[in-house]
Formats: sequence, structure tokens, C-alpha cells
Amino acid sequence: DVKVTQSSRYLVKRTGEKVFLECVQDMDHENMFWYRQDPGLGLRLIYFSYDVKMKEKGDIPEGYSVSREKKERFSLILESASTNQTSMYLCASSPYGLFTEAFFGQGTRLTVV
Amino acid sequence: AQSVTQPDIHITVSEGASLELRCNYSYGATPYLFWYVQSPGQGLQLLLKYFSGDTLVQGIKGFEAEFKRSQSSFNLRKPSVHWSDAAEYFCAVGVNNQGGKLIFGQGTELSVKP
Repeated sequence: DVKVTQSSRYLVKRTGEKVFLECVQDMDHENMFWYRQDPGLGLRLIYFSYDVKMKEKGDIPEGYSVSREKKERFSLILESASTNQTSMYLCASSPYGLFTEAFFGQGTRLTVV
Repeated sequence: AQSVTQPDIHITVSEGASLELRCNYSYGATPYLFWYVQSPGQGLQLLLKYFSGDTLVQGIKGFEAEFKRSQSSFNLRKPSVHWSDAAEYFCAVGVNNQGGKLIFGQGTELSVKP
């Protein structure tokens, strides 16, 4: 069974903290994605990676960075968390170059207080 | 720029009634189109996808969607809705950029009345 696993379902952090959201996939996919989901705004792409150490900004990269040192792992980093980053974060993976199915993790609901 | 619009934020239908969820896209090339469903507390699951060929595509759970190039639309339909279909539905377009990425619409939340 294919799997995208996000390290936490719920997370509460303080303003100004550095926050790491981890995502691991077991399907040997080249592409990995981080989306942010907010009511009425749908899923907005933060960053995606199409290969190890390769990354590309999505639509809302400000305040975020990413790391992909290994093919199976894609980390989202909030350098200094702010309350407006309170949201649901979804990780996904898909094969490179083919518009086949993207597989999603269960999501991490982050609250910044 | 590529974009996807789902005009309806929330739709309520009665169980057994038919359903149509609207999706419009903006993309210069041939679009790769998807519908995903997100049940409460769950991740997203692919319902169906369109790449080329027959413009009416069948998906899981009895859903289908029709691609209309002239209207830049990819509407999702189901002839008879079940209470378990209550969920949020997302339309997405695949963009051929550095290996492919998905651009999503705002989502449509479906409620089902008994």
C-alpha cells in the first residue's frame, strides 16, 4: 500500500519558533510537494521538489523554506513561525513528468500561538 | 498564469439527487485535469483524471467528469448522491513545469441532506 507519512497530525508552536514539518514517501517518487490548505482558499502550493536537492517555489513561499537531502524525505521549515501560518499543511508525492496520481499525506494541523 | 476556479464554495443536495460540481481552468496548453475528494479528517483521494481522448471520464465511487475545451470546464457529476459523499471536492490542473505540479481550485464542500 502506497504511503505518504507526515510526522505529526497536530502541532502547537509559539510565535518566533523554528518549526520543522517532515514528510516521507515510500513510492520512490521524484516529485514531492508542500501545500497549505485554508478554508475558502483551497490548496496553495508552497514549494515543490522534482529531485533530490532540487526545489522550486510555489505560489506562497514567503516565510517558508524546504529541504530534500534524500529522495524519500521532504521537509518544510518555518524559519520564524507567525500566527498567520496557522493552517493545515499537506504533503504529496508523484512520479516525475507524468501526470499520474499524486498521493497525499494525512496533513499536519499547525497552530501558532 | 495557470489557475483553477471552483465557483461554488458550498453545495447542499438531497440524498438520491443528482450532483454537478463546476470547475473552470486557465491553462495555455492541453490540460491535464483531476478531481480529488477529501473526507473529514482524511487526506486527498483521487476520484478521476483526464489526459486526452474521450472527454467523458469515469472515476471511482460512481463519479464521472466531462472535459469541454470550448468552455475550459471539467465538471464533476454523479447521478445519485449518497450520504457518504459528503466531503470537500477539489479540481486541479497539472502543469508541465519541472516534472509536473498540480494547481488546485478553492474546493467545493458538499453537504448531503437525508
